[in-house]
Amino acid sequence: GAVVSQHPSWVICKSGTSVKIECRSLDFQATTMFWYRQFPKQSLMLMATSNEGSKATYEQGVEKDKFLINHASLTLSTLTVTSAHPEDSSFYICSARGGEDYEQYFGPGTRLTVT
Amino acid sequence: GQNIDQPTEMTATEGAIVQINCTYQTSGFNGLFWYQQHAGEAPTFLSYNVLDGLEEKGRFSSFLSRSKGYSYLLLKELQMKDSASYLCAGVDSNYQLIWGAGTKLIIKP
Repeated sequence: GAVVSQHPSWVICKSGTSVKIECRSLDFQATTMFWYRQFPKQSLMLMATSNEGSKATYEQGVEKDKFLINHASLTLSTLTVTSAHPEDSSFYICSARGGEDYEQYFGPGTRLTVT
Repeated sequence: GQNIDQPTEMTATEGAIVQINCTYQTSGFNGLFWYQQHAGEAPTFLSYNVLDGLEEKGRFSSFLSRSKGYSYLLLKELQMKDSASYLCAGVDSNYQLIWGAGTKLIIKP
């Protein structure tokens, strides 16, 4: 149980375009979803926390107008990287948490390359 | 402030035992997680401790001392596939995970 999927697993886009990444909890209801970014050889960096039906809470330094997060249902959250630039190239990972369970279940990640 | 400290890198020999330490300072405490992350992959859950003591799960064990703000992950009978980063994460009073920077474990034959 507690499976989280992400789509796409990798994407290459041109600078200036937008990319949407989906995160789905397949067998549980995710009341909270988290979006992380990880640059090579660095640790996870939390970008934002989203609760179903409400606006996401962004970490300091993360531009909310650039990284649009939507958590419209208990099983789906999306992250849209708008006007992507090469420096946005990174490994984006979502995780989901349900109910009173503190554990975060991670998706497999999405590798974004902006050319 | 909140902080999780763990060594940046450790090296061990196949078949040996290694202990990865983690010290934490969080506002409130609701437990501590250990995750394993292979290069290019997402983290996978290893253990969760909220009470003091040692919890054993196969070759992996995790220990917690709440009074000392300290945890360790013990890996026995090391295998080459154990080469990975090991992430320590404390759960604060808001049930948010506070992540350490990870310990890269290198296993040598």
